[in-house]
Amino acid sequence: AQSVTQLDSQVPVFEEAPVELRCNYSSSVSVYLFWYVQYPNQGLQLLLKYLSGSTLVKGINGFEAEFNKSQTSFHLRKPSVHISDTAEYFCAVKDTNAGKSTFGDGTTLTVKP
Amino acid sequence: NAGVMQNPRHLVRRRGQEARLRCSPMKGHSHVYWYRQLPEEGLKFMVYLQKENIIDESGMPKERFSAEFPKEGPSILRIQQVVRGDSAAYFCASSQSALGTGELFFGEGSRLTVL
Repeated sequence: AQSVTQLDSQVPVFEEAPVELRCNYSSSVSVYLFWYVQYPNQGLQLLLKYLSGSTLVKGINGFEAEFNKSQTSFHLRKPSVHISDTAEYFCAVKDTNAGKSTFGDGTTLTVKP
Repeated sequence: NAGVMQNPRHLVRRRGQEARLRCSPMKGHSHVYWYRQLPEEGLKFMVYLQKENIIDESGMPKERFSAEFPKEGPSILRIQQVVRGDSAAYFCASSQSALGTGELFFGEGSRLTVL
């Protein structure tokens, strides 16, 4: 079984500031890692994913994440946020040999002018 | 629109009634997942289905909830005798295969309100 912990439930930040949303996971098997974004009253959209290879992955909207196997972390970063980045962000993990994905409880990113 | 389609988007039921939520996966996808999102909470896995088969229902409440994905037609999540605690957003996601990269494509959700 896998579990995901998103360490911050709310992250307020000013526009154009950098941001990091933290995610730790636990699993006894190999996993794929994902970050999804949810805008109000919408479904989730994939931001980026780590499957294998380079530990730094780049996604849409200028986001990137770094996989750290020793620390079992997959933190999401953006060097300069925009008002439009205000949303809920979910970290997820999936067993490479099984179907379902397990999600964290989400981090609400609020970008202030 | 070839995305995941859920309907209804909003559903209001009184306690004791039945709720049926439908999900049509993306074209070419044969794997469907249902998640529930309670207010101010994250997504909790409910059930994973392939055509005509339930693969994993470890997140489904033992009573009143059922899911199916028939050979023809959409997947259906059925909640019998709804209670106020069932009020939530129910999201359906689909994927092309279970053993692939695992990226999920989500619908916009069905928001159930129980009065």
